[in-house]
Amino acid sequence: AQTVTQSQPEMSVQEAETVTLSCTYDTSENNYYLFWYKQPPSRQMILVIRQEAYKQQNATENRFSVNFQKAAKSFSLKISDSQLGDTAMYFCAFNNDMRFGAGTRLTVKP
Amino acid sequence: DAGVTQSPTHLIKTRGQQVTLRCSPKSGHDTVSWYQQALGQGPQFIFQYYEEEERQRGNFPDRFSGHQFPNYSSELNVNALLLGDSALYLCASSFLGNEAFFGQGTRLTVV
Repeated sequence: AQTVTQSQPEMSVQEAETVTLSCTYDTSENNYYLFWYKQPPSRQMILVIRQEAYKQQNATENRFSVNFQKAAKSFSLKISDSQLGDTAMYFCAFNNDMRFGAGTRLTVKP
Repeated sequence: DAGVTQSPTHLIKTRGQQVTLRCSPKSGHDTVSWYQQALGQGPQFIFQYYEEEERQRGNFPDRFSGHQFPNYSSELNVNALLLGDSALYLCASSFLGNEAFFGQGTRLTVV
């Protein structure tokens, strides 16, 4: 079975600072995809960033980047220059059938 | 492109009733997945449809069933509703294993 674990139920960060959200997963597959999704209070799930397991280079999308450690099965999300609009639930997800973690509630404080 | 659309947005049902939720995928997408998200929790995978067939299924009872139509739209049916079925039901569409796009969800309340 594939499981995704997010060990930080809640986190907060000051506006303009950097925060890192953790995610670990368990799988016996060698090729797979990992995703970070954001769910603001409006509740629509929005893709933040995606990583293919066969790529060694960490994915980056503007202020969002990941630290993908395949051997450790770790996939953390770094948000730089945090903005108030980043306040949301963040979910780590595995592969095409989207096995989700329990989520991390991030609050960006002014 | 309207993206992924779900209907209805809110629904109230009584225990024991049956409910049907609908999803229209994003244009060009052929795969539809359904999730149940209880309050304060992450989405739980129910099943995925591709080419009108259920391709994968999560740990949900047979009361949860679905269908995909030739135009790739999909329905989620839940029979014999329980109070515990109250949740946000999310539909997501994708194409060839690329990232999924989600709808706004249907908030189901069972009373």
